[in-house]
Amino acid sequence: DVKVTQSSRYLVKRTGEKVFLECVQDMDHENMFWYRQDPGLGLRLIYFSYDVKMKEKGDIPEGYSVSREKKERFSLILESASTNQTSMYLCASSATRDPRYTFGSGTRLTVV
Amino acid sequence: TQLLEQSPQFLSIQEGENLTVYCNSSSVFSSLQWYRQEPGEGPVLLVTVVTGGEVKKLKRLTFQFGDARKDSSLHITAAQPGGTGLYLCAGVAGANSKLTFGKGITLSVRP
Repeated sequence: DVKVTQSSRYLVKRTGEKVFLECVQDMDHENMFWYRQDPGLGLRLIYFSYDVKMKEKGDIPEGYSVSREKKERFSLILESASTNQTSMYLCASSATRDPRYTFGSGTRLTVV
Repeated sequence: TQLLEQSPQFLSIQEGENLTVYCNSSSVFSSLQWYRQEPGEGPVLLVTVVTGGEVKKLKRLTFQFGDARKDSSLHITAAQPGGTGLYLCAGVAGANSKLTFGKGITLSVRP
């Protein structure tokens, strides 16, 4: 069964901490995406990557960075966590020429 | 910016009822997808529609892509409590595979 795996289901971090959210896919997909999901705002794209070591800003990149050193892994980094980054974070992947996304189960991050 | 508007935003119905929900845009999409997301989980793909006017059925769910490829509808027949969740539509506009998502429709089916 093909999968996108997010390292944590729930995380609680303190304001100012550096936070790493990890996402691994086993489908050899070229494309990987990070979204945050908040009530009433839907899915908002933070960053995406079309290939190893490549990254592009989405709609709300401020306060975030990403890393894609290997094809299967896409990491989201909160450089200095703030309370307004409390959210559900979803990772997704897709193949080039096939826009169907496979999502991970999500990480619910709370920043206190 | 291409937007997908989903309506209604919230819906609460009794088990066994039928319903139709909508996904509308002023833009043309080369294909459109529907996902369902259960509480605390990630979205799961239900269907992709590609051809204008296309109708696809998945158990109690019937999906239709508009003739002009700007809109889609989802009809649920005899809804079941297991169908509770957030229904998201997402469109592909061009050559790149980045999806544009609607905000979703929260459906609650009461036993």
